[in-house]
Amino acid sequence: AQRVTQPEKLLSVFKGAPVELKCNYSYSGSPELFWYVQYSRQRLQLLLRHISRESIKGFTADLNKGETSFHLKKPFAQEEDSAMYYCALRGVGTALIFGKGTTLSVSS
Amino acid sequence: DAGVIQSPRHEVTEMGQEVTLRCKPISGHDYLFWYRQTMMRGLELLIYFNNNVPIDDSGMPEDRFSAKMPNASFSTLKIQPSEPRDSAVYFCASSSRGNSPLHFGNGTRLTVT
Repeated sequence: AQRVTQPEKLLSVFKGAPVELKCNYSYSGSPELFWYVQYSRQRLQLLLRHISRESIKGFTADLNKGETSFHLKKPFAQEEDSAMYYCALRGVGTALIFGKGTTLSVSS
Repeated sequence: DAGVIQSPRHEVTEMGQEVTLRCKPISGHDYLFWYRQTMMRGLELLIYFNNNVPIDDSGMPEDRFSAKMPNASFSTLKIQPSEPRDSAVYFCASSSRGNSPLHFGNGTRLTVT
């Protein structure tokens, strides 16, 4: 069965501190992994996907198949990064399955 | 492009009433998804369509929920009768292909009293 686990409901950091939002998944094949973000009063939107291997707004995420993880990282958090972050997985021929989300709060 | 359009933005109803949520996907997108967001369960997939045909409805909670897509530009999610535990934000999303990123609507916040 497909499953996405985000162990932290809330992550609070100070501005300038490193951020790591954890995501673990369960899937028997080769999944596609994504991070979606929902800023206050905005739509849920794609932040990045593992196949792109790019950095968006300073965030990166590396797929670790051995640990079945896709943690989201940023070396220096900004206040504008405060949002709800969802890790998501898509298997072959299936729809996107989301984790329960992590609220990131960045304070000055 | 206005993106995925959902209506209404907010719905407050009494237990036992019928509720209909509406969604207009992005023109040209072949896939349409309905998700439900709650604090306890996060974002759950309810059902999705490809070319107006329901592909997977295993996430629909129970028979009180039904979804239709009569044409490529419109979908409805109906709850009859509604219950307080149905209170949540319901999102519609569309994508151009099965492996394309999802584009979400603003959601409908449903409150059942």
